[in-house]
Amino acid sequence: DAKTTQPTSMDCAEGRAANLPCNHSTISGNEYVYWYRQIHSQGPQYIIHGLKNNETNEMASLIITEDRKSSTLILPHATLRDTAVYYCIGDSGGGADGLTFGKGTHLIIQP
Amino acid sequence: EAGVVQSPRYKIIEKKQPVAFWCNPISGHNTLYWYRQNLGQGPELLIRYENEEAVDDSQLPKDRFSAERLKGVDSTLKIQPAELGDSAVYLCAPNAPRETNTDTQYFGPGTRLTVL
Repeated sequence: DAKTTQPTSMDCAEGRAANLPCNHSTISGNEYVYWYRQIHSQGPQYIIHGLKNNETNEMASLIITEDRKSSTLILPHATLRDTAVYYCIGDSGGGADGLTFGKGTHLIIQP
Repeated sequence: EAGVVQSPRYKIIEKKQPVAFWCNPISGHNTLYWYRQNLGQGPELLIRYENEEAVDDSQLPKDRFSAERLKGVDSTLKIQPAELGDSAVYLCAPNAPRETNTDTQYFGPGTRLTVL
């Protein structure tokens, strides 16, 4: 699985877009970029994943650079409930062999 | 958390005591994972099941940890005897239900173990 690098923590004002970066310069061609988040005292929750194209769902948007060495998770209108640790994971099999989590980014939404 | 039940939610024991965790996912999950999450870290895989077979237990400390998944549905993770360093959150994660045809994992709320 690709090694990913994320900032340790970030702040964002409530109602603004939260942009969470992730570097994955060693990602291989068949590895997807997955994002999970973990709210305090809960298990991780799947957000979104993508390979090359940008993706959007009801939770977030994922922007992947053309060279696939980095990506950005966008929460368009952050709320206080979005405060969580966000994990960026590179995986070729959808996590079938188990997901490899780093330490993630602790996103704090400020009122 | 897609109906994944873990029990107990919290457990405090003294070192050298045994402890067991249960995971009850809704049916329809071929694959089930157990992870351990230490404070301030991301979850780390302990064991992976395909139906009732443990297909990857390379990260499971087999001298004290054991697991089973009877009938390919519910699963149990046991520690005997527990050590201070086993204090962590133990997470169960079935994969997405077969009918959704997606490769994602659904995590339970976890069991927080404190060993004194």
